[in-house]
Amino acid sequence: GENVEQHPSTLSVQEGDSAVIKCTYSDSASNYFPWYKQELGKRPQLIIDIRSNVGEKKDQRIAVTLNKTAKHFSLHITETQPEDSAVYFCAASRGRMDSSYKLIFGSGTRLLVRP
Amino acid sequence: KAGVTQTPRYLIKTRGQQVTLSCSPISGHRSVSWYQQTPGQGLQFLFEYFSETQRNKGNFPGRFSGRQFSNSRSEMNVSTLELGDSALYLCASSAGLAGETQYFGPGTRLLVL
Repeated sequence: GENVEQHPSTLSVQEGDSAVIKCTYSDSASNYFPWYKQELGKRPQLIIDIRSNVGEKKDQRIAVTLNKTAKHFSLHITETQPEDSAVYFCAASRGRMDSSYKLIFGSGTRLLVRP
Repeated sequence: KAGVTQTPRYLIKTRGQQVTLSCSPISGHRSVSWYQQTPGQGLQFLFEYFSETQRNKGNFPGRFSGRQFSNSRSEMNVSTLELGDSALYLCASSAGLAGETQYFGPGTRLLVL
């Protein structure tokens, strides 16, 4: 069945360092890959997303890369700050017009940025 | 625009009872998806509604049901509650067939005793 694996489950970095979170998906028909940040007690917030016709996308300190052949996608956060501490979820889905459209989430990565 | 809202925010029920949760999407959004979040299982898809029709359903028992109204507001119902139904229930809205981006509500935290 459809599955998204996410690693690592926890990640601790020093403030200013980079953080990388990796995901692998199983459904080769997936073509939309969002990343969500969830702070304690709050809703998941979309931080960046990428579609399968693009290999990389950047937004200030955040970037996402996609390798469709290997079915891998990764989140890169540079110059980490304490406020980046949260749980990050990757997800994959088919296109919006597909009747099977739904987000399949990874298990989450707890990122801790040490001051 | 106002964000996605969910009511109630917190709920305590006992086993065997039923519960109804409500979700109001972002104005103009016609699609509402529901997810269950638990520490053990993570975020799992329940179902999606678009223009009052259920388009897709996840692997949950028939005790979980939902519906969508003409104003795009959605409700989900869980009957015969079990202890394992304790979770954060999140809804997410998207513009519909025009886009995939889903925006989440704050969730309803359900505790079943």
